[in-house]
Amino acid sequence: SQQGEEDPQALSIQEGENATMNCSYKTSINNLQWYRQNSGRGLVHLILIRSNEREKHSGRLRVTLDTSKKSSSLLITASRAADTASYFCATDAVGSARQLTFGSGTQLTVLP
Amino acid sequence: GAGVSQSPSNKVTEKGKDVELRCDPISGHTALYWYRQRLGQGLEFLIYFQGNSAPDKSGLPSDRFSAERTGESVSTLTIQRTQQEDSAVYLCATRGGRNTGELFFGEGSRLTVL
Repeated sequence: SQQGEEDPQALSIQEGENATMNCSYKTSINNLQWYRQNSGRGLVHLILIRSNEREKHSGRLRVTLDTSKKSSSLLITASRAADTASYFCATDAVGSARQLTFGSGTQLTVLP
Repeated sequence: GAGVSQSPSNKVTEKGKDVELRCDPISGHTALYWYRQRLGQGLEFLIYFQGNSAPDKSGLPSDRFSAERTGESVSTLTIQRTQQEDSAVYLCATRGGRNTGELFFGEGSRLTVL
């Protein structure tokens, strides 16, 4: 079963607006990662947040992690048309030899 | 090479034929994953290799699927007697010696079974 589940499944916004995507997971984690996938391409790592961190920034990206609620959010500020992609969270579960289980993704469309 | 390389990028085959997909990892990356992604869906874990340890095959959907990797070298994913439901993009990802941190993905092999 999927460890991480994103919502919404799809999000459409205007250029310049902020986009927020959420991820919920089920078990204890070492870290949580966010990836981006452009249509027809492989996934690209965006940001990693460790279980002892609550917030992390990278450029226009802001990630929060609430381990008590087993949830994370990814905020993209001042969105651009080029941000249009699918975004996936991935959890690195404690005690999992396999590690990194991906959610089902949020399809973000940024309209020019 | 500089990144994870997968081949072929596209493969069209007839139902019942065998296919072999290849993944060339980043040099020195000990961990290698195969995922399947159906159209518009998330990533489905298939198999995980970590160095010379026994692979985690728990995600392989049937005995028609198998994968090999020797040490930290190339991996091949083989699908025997392909079915139409095998149509998907097969993604390979690798990561370095520490078992935390980001995965580096290839561009995928798109398989279409007619």
